[in-house]
Amino acid sequence: QQQVKQSPQSLIVQKGGISIINCAYENTAFDYFPWYQQFPGKGPALLIAIRPDVSEKKEGRFTISFNKSAKQFSLHIMDSQPGDSATYFCAAPLEAAGNKLTFGGGTRVLVKP
Amino acid sequence: NAGVTQTPKFRVLKTGQSMTLLCAQDMNHEYMYWYRQDPGMGLRLIHYSVGEGTTAKGEVPDGYNVSRLKKQNFLLGLESAAPSQTSVYFCASSYRWDRGGNQPQHFGDGTRLSIL
Repeated sequence: QQQVKQSPQSLIVQKGGISIINCAYENTAFDYFPWYQQFPGKGPALLIAIRPDVSEKKEGRFTISFNKSAKQFSLHIMDSQPGDSATYFCAAPLEAAGNKLTFGGGTRVLVKP
Repeated sequence: NAGVTQTPKFRVLKTGQSMTLLCAQDMNHEYMYWYRQDPGMGLRLIHYSVGEGTTAKGEVPDGYNVSRLKKQNFLLGLESAAPSQTSVYFCASSYRWDRGGNQPQHFGDGTRLSIL
C-alpha cells in the first residue's frame, strides 16, 4: 500500500500551459517532500523539495505548494515546455532522521509544441 | 565523474535462474539503495545500506539479497528468478542524513530485467 498517493497518472498540456500534479499522504510524521523528475531511459533526479514549515517553494518555473491541514502537496510547472516532458514522482521519507524514501506512483507529463 | 553506474543495462533470464546486478558509485556516499520500478507503482525500496558491511530490508525485500563489501559497490542478487521480478531496477546513493538533513538520492540509469 503506497503511503503517498499521486494523481493524475498522466497528463497532456500545450506548450506554455500549466501542469499540475497532486500528492496526498497519511503519515503526519513526514517532514520532507521531494519531487523527482525522470526522462525516458534515465534514472530519476531530484527536481525540488519542500519542508512542511513553508507553504510554497519556487525554483524557476517549478513550484511546490504544501497544504498541511489537507495533507496534500502539489507540483506546478508554469509555462510548460516540450523539454519538461518526463515522469514526475513525489516522495516522502519512510522514517524520521533518515534518507529512505517512499514514492508516489508517478505522473507522465507530455507537453505538446 | 560517472556518478552511479549500473551493470548490466538489459538482461533476460529464465525462471529459476540466478543473477547479480552491480551498482558502483564514485561520490563517496555512505548510503546506497536498490529500488524496483513498475508501471503505476512508482519506485519501491528493496534493500538499502547505510555503510560498508551493513544492509537492511526495505519495502519489498522478498526474493532478493544484497551485499556491500566495499563502500562504492552495492550488489543485488536474485537467487531463483520469478516472472514477478520482471521490472526495471534502479540503484541510488546519497550522503548520510546527519551530513545536513535530507540528502538527495542520486540514481543510476537502471537495469531492465525480463524473466520468462
